[in-house]
Amino acid sequence: QSALTQPASVSGSPGQSITISCAVTSSDVDSYNLVSWYQQYPGKAPKLIIYEVNKRPSGISNRFSGSKSGNTASLTISGLQAEDDADYHCCSHGDNTTLRVFGGGTKLTVL
Amino acid sequence: QLEESGGGVVQPGRSLRLSCAASGFTFDNYDIHWVRQAPGKGLEWVALISYDGNIKHYADSVKARFTISRDNSKNTAYLQMSGLGAADTAVYYCVRQNDAWAAFDSWGQGTLVTVSS
Repeated sequence: QSALTQPASVSGSPGQSITISCAVTSSDVDSYNLVSWYQQYPGKAPKLIIYEVNKRPSGISNRFSGSKSGNTASLTISGLQAEDDADYHCCSHGDNTTLRVFGGGTKLTVL
Repeated sequence: QLEESGGGVVQPGRSLRLSCAASGFTFDNYDIHWVRQAPGKGLEWVALISYDGNIKHYADSVKARFTISRDNSKNTAYLQMSGLGAADTAVYYCVRQNDAWAAFDSWGQGTLVTVSS
């Protein structure tokens, strides 16, 4: 069964860079290559910011970047801004029954 | 754009049907998912229906209780929920899967379902 594990919280000061990890456990190789990331403000719907590990949809700032090393995907936000203070969720393919799996979400606090 | 409706307060064991009205894109070209988020918790995938309605998948936690469907003539997807319990209390989002990427590129604003006596 697939599982994604994120830290509960990270923090950084304006201008700094932070990285949020997403450890992928899966028997499906696609799970490691199809990680997406979503930004969510309180009371709002999530918004896609990274897909297929490291691709940015149109309109997403290049301060957001994705990468993968081994079984861990990462979201890096550079030049932190106050508006980056939000929750971040990773997602990938699951198995034949649970088609999509989300990590537990990471609360980013911009100090 | 996706817009959910139908949420509300429902007693345990009762049923509720959520609707998801789509606009601004060719609805019958896209797979639609439902994703939920319990208060203060992370996101949980609930169900998928393929663009033509022929393929449906459910999370184990809702299988046999929830039914996903769509009416492409009305640009609307549905989630029929039965046997509701406290664990089903959540904001339910209707979500579009991008037709080329393995990602959710459009989300509705969500509708809150509260299961309580």
